[in-house]
Amino acid sequence: DVKVTQSSRYLVKRTGEKVFLECVQDMDHENMFWYRQDPGLGLRLIYFSYDVKMKEKGDIPEGYSVSREKKERFSLILESASTNQTSMYLCASSPRDRGETGANVLTFGAGSRLTVL
Amino acid sequence: GQNIDQPTEMTATEGAIVQINCTYQTSGFNGLFWYQQHAGEAPTFLSYNVLDGLEEKGRFSSFLSRSKGYSYLLLKELQMKDSASYLCVSSDSNYQLIWGAGTKLIIKP
Repeated sequence: DVKVTQSSRYLVKRTGEKVFLECVQDMDHENMFWYRQDPGLGLRLIYFSYDVKMKEKGDIPEGYSVSREKKERFSLILESASTNQTSMYLCASSPRDRGETGANVLTFGAGSRLTVL
Repeated sequence: GQNIDQPTEMTATEGAIVQINCTYQTSGFNGLFWYQQHAGEAPTFLSYNVLDGLEEKGRFSSFLSRSKGYSYLLLKELQMKDSASYLCVSSDSNYQLIWGAGTKLIIKP
């Protein structure tokens, strides 16, 4: 069963701590994404990557950085966590080739719920 | 600006039919997705429409009208397991995804 695995389901950190969220996919997908999901809002894109060592800012990159050293792994880093970064973080991947339909379908991990105190 | 509107919450009865509407405004258009997300779980892909009309997939159907910027997801023969949030997502001219906040569907026996 193909999947996207996020290393931690629940994390509790203190303000100012450095936080690493790891994501690994076993589908050989080129594209990987980090979103955050907050109540009453649509998913918001933080960063994405279309290839190894490549990264692009999404809609809300401030306070975050990412690393993609290997094709299957995409890490999200919070250099100095703040309370407004308390959220559900979702990692997703998709193939570069959209296929016949042209749809870039995302496969998501189960999510990492981060609480910053 | 780019925007997706869908109802926050809907309630329906087991065995019935429910239609979840979505209107979108995006810069260009490259398709409309619906995802299902059970509480505490990952969103999973349900459907994709890029041409006008109805796409049927078992108990679920999705409709698109590009001229009206409108889509709906139709769920038939509702089951308790259909209780979830349904996310409407538009793809703009750069294939960037614009996500709605989701419609929480509550199924009652």
